[in-house]
Amino acid sequence: DTAVSQTPKYLVTQMGNDKSIKCEQNLGHDTMYWYKQDSKKFLKIMFSYNNKELIINETVPNRFSPKSPDKAHLNLHINSLELGDSAVYFCASSQGMVFRSPLHFGNGTRLTVT
Amino acid sequence: GQQVMQIPQYQHVQEGEDFTTYCNSSTTLSNIQWYKQRPGGHPVFLIQLVKSGEVKKQKRLTFQFGEAKKNSSLHITATQTTDVGTYFCALPSGSARQLTFGSGTQLTVLP
Repeated sequence: DTAVSQTPKYLVTQMGNDKSIKCEQNLGHDTMYWYKQDSKKFLKIMFSYNNKELIINETVPNRFSPKSPDKAHLNLHINSLELGDSAVYFCASSQGMVFRSPLHFGNGTRLTVT
Repeated sequence: GQQVMQIPQYQHVQEGEDFTTYCNSSTTLSNIQWYKQRPGGHPVFLIQLVKSGEVKKQKRLTFQFGEAKKNSSLHITATQTTDVGTYFCALPSGSARQLTFGSGTQLTVLP
């Protein structure tokens, strides 16, 4: 009965490939997020998605595209992978505005681009 | 954009010593949250502070929100090896639709 689950846990791929990471939450939350954590542990918001409204962090390259088939799922598709994309990607969810509700994180996907 | 500084970046303590991490914002905050990430794990919510000067305790952990609501601290009394991990403060940003995380403090507890 995992609350926020993401797959795969590990992803090793070569530069130039396209890959996807899937995320599902069973908490009934209406907002989902993608965060990127680099090797220095910095956690950076990439996207948030609420009721079909997508909020994009302006620093995220357009090679990254979130896709939400319904409010329980938010997938991340990455085109033309680069070495600098290597990181841990966390999916998270919350109910409503973040100042009222904490984030629940998935276990993360460690992406290694070679 | 929202500016948040968290210090120190790293802290090594002997088991039984106290530990404090600080979070400072350039602007007044509506609230602040704290998270803990164990090595190899994911961030886990610890607490949310909302009121000016608020102090909350969870066993050996004490959380404070500054009077001006621009800074916050997390203090751990008598650290244990189970306290190892990275502690993050997190602030609402973008009209409260996103959470911006501080840079984190990586705590190592030496047995």
